[in-house]
Order: sequence, then structure tokens, then C-alpha cells
Amino acid sequence: VQLVESGGGLVQPGGSLRLSCAASGFTFSSFWLSWVRQAPGKGLEWVANIMQDGDEKYYVASVKGRFTIFRDNAKNSLYLQMNSLRAEDTAIYYCARVAPTTALYYFDSWGQGTLVTVSS
Amino acid sequence: DIQMTQSPSFVSASVGDRVTITCRASHDISSWLAWYQQKPGKAPKLLIYGASSLQSGVPSRFSGSGSGTDFTLTISSLQPEDFATYFCQQANSFPPAFGGGTRVEIK
Repeated sequence: VQLVESGGGLVQPGGSLRLSCAASGFTFSSFWLSWVRQAPGKGLEWVANIMQDGDEKYYVASVKGRFTIFRDNAKNSLYLQMNSLRAEDTAIYYCARVAPTTALYYFDSWGQGTLVTVSS
Repeated sequence: DIQMTQSPSFVSASVGDRVTITCRASHDISSWLAWYQQKPGKAPKLLIYGASSLQSGVPSRFSGSGSGTDFTLTISSLQPEDFATYFCQQANSFPPAFGGGTRVEIK
């Protein structure tokens, strides 16, 4: 299993950024996927989940209406469109696979992360 | 939302020591709890899910216990590669939440 994020960088407050996660080594279309973030030197925060076919999506309250999670199963890729970015969105963003258990929130594989910095 | 509280936030221990980390949930989460290990500059790694089920490939010196609101992660004999930060995470209800982390350092 391999997950490789890209698209992070420096963006001004109010700006937009799209993160990508390229997956390999497993049947991408069979798994829920997530984004989890970690502010520098801080703990982990779940951001969003997406169902296998993309029909169901869930977000943490602080990003709802600003971030959109989506996927392209033909390209084995997961995305996070981030709009109206704020300083508090500064973090390393990890792409994570949801473990194939009855829970929707165990994360059994993670990418290396991509750093998003929101600053003027 | 369910809040997760870990203690202690920092542990200083020696190779071979038994280490226990505690996690408390603000509401009953049954056994819907995971533990992760994170080394500096690396992504988290799933160690335990369902409070006590060992993820494939994780050494048996790691064990988890508890249910309801109180949980523990035990490392039976600390190894050099175990020095890291450990996070608990509830998977019972939306939104999933992580504890603040416990940093295990070399004494």
C-alpha cells in the first residue's frame, strides 16, 4: 500500500489550494478514504471522509463549506479542494486509508503528508 | 463531540521498561478505540484497533485494553525503536477524535 500526497505549499489567507493523493498497491475503489491533518508540533485532527463511490462525504465542522473531498477511482486518486483558507488551516495534511473493519474511522495506511502553510 | 484525554503527556523510560499509557473518553465509546505510533517527521502508524486487536505486523509487546471510557496501551518491554509519540483515537461516533498524544522518550 502506498499513498503519496502532493499539492501543499504557501497560500495567503482567503486563498485556495488543491491537494492530491496518488494511491497504489490496493484496490482503490474498495476503500473509504480520509484526510487527517496535524498542525506543526500539535496533535492529529480528522478532516474528511469519502465513501468508495464518492456518494457519501463527511467533514469536521471547522472545514465544512470550505473544503471538498472527492476522488477519481479511474486514476486511483483522492483530492481535497481547500477554499477560503485560514491561518488555522496550517498543517501537514495526510491522506489515509480507512481500515476494512466495521468502523469508518480506523486508519490503517497513511501517506507521508504534504505541508500547507496559510500566511500573508 | 467526544473528547479524548491521554495521560501522561510525557514519559521518560529506559529500554526494557514496561510502559503504560492511559486514554479516557468523555462518553462511552464501547471498544471503538485505536492507538497510533508516530515518529518524528513520519506519518502515524496504526498499532491497535477495537481497543485490543493488534494490527498486522505490529510486535506482540504492544497490547491494548479497556472499554467504555477508560483504555490503556501497554508496551511490555520498551525497545529503542519504540521511542515515539502515541495517540489514541475514538472511532465510535462522528467526528472521530484523537487524544493529545503521549511522548515516550529515552531516560
